[in-house]
Amino acid sequence: SQQGEEDPQALSIQEGENATMNCSYKTSINNLQWYRQNSGRGLVHLILIRSNEREKHSGRLRVTLDTSKKSSSLLITASRAADTASYFCATWYNNAGNMLTFGGGTRLMVKP
Amino acid sequence: EPEVTQTPSHQVTQMGQEVILRCVPISNHLYFYWYRQILGQKVEFLVSFYNNEISEKSEIFDDQFSVERPDGSNFTLKIRSTKLEDSAMYFCASSITLTGGSSPLHFGNGTRLTVT
Repeated sequence: SQQGEEDPQALSIQEGENATMNCSYKTSINNLQWYRQNSGRGLVHLILIRSNEREKHSGRLRVTLDTSKKSSSLLITASRAADTASYFCATWYNNAGNMLTFGGGTRLMVKP
Repeated sequence: EPEVTQTPSHQVTQMGQEVILRCVPISNHLYFYWYRQILGQKVEFLVSFYNNEISEKSEIFDDQFSVERPDGSNFTLKIRSTKLEDSAMYFCASSITLTGGSSPLHFGNGTRLTVT
């Protein structure tokens, strides 16, 4: 499978703590994206990092990409209860045409 | 902010029946997608659509599935003869450009399909 795979599958933290989620993938990519999904809702795009970038920030989000290890991480700093959701990495492969492929996701619970 | 809208939010159908799931993508977007998510599982790609034809489709998207853009605003997914295993959440998405996936996908809130 060319899909990204996140770990951990589930993460429970206290409000104010940082949450780190990891994603691994198998083949070369054009970019990697992170999405969030609240329970029973659609996915919302959070951040996109291109294959020639190593780190990107957006508010409390920090994404890193290591193409040599075929891995990415999403860090949410100073977490809030409202950050409780599932987080998915998604990869767009060089030769896969119009196909964004999602990993299995990390279920994050932030306890108040 | 413009959004992708999907109807209905929940569809219950009997095995063997045809269903049509409807989506209105964001108006200036050119690329359209269907994904599905079986409860608690991965978000799986079904099909992408551009310029009135299918660009890519997955193994899941067999002859029972079809997509159509019947007018300038709607994008539909039809399942001809539903099976129990088609029960899932179906998400429509759209993006403004393709260019190596540099545009994010905008998702609707999904249609929950229950096949009994």
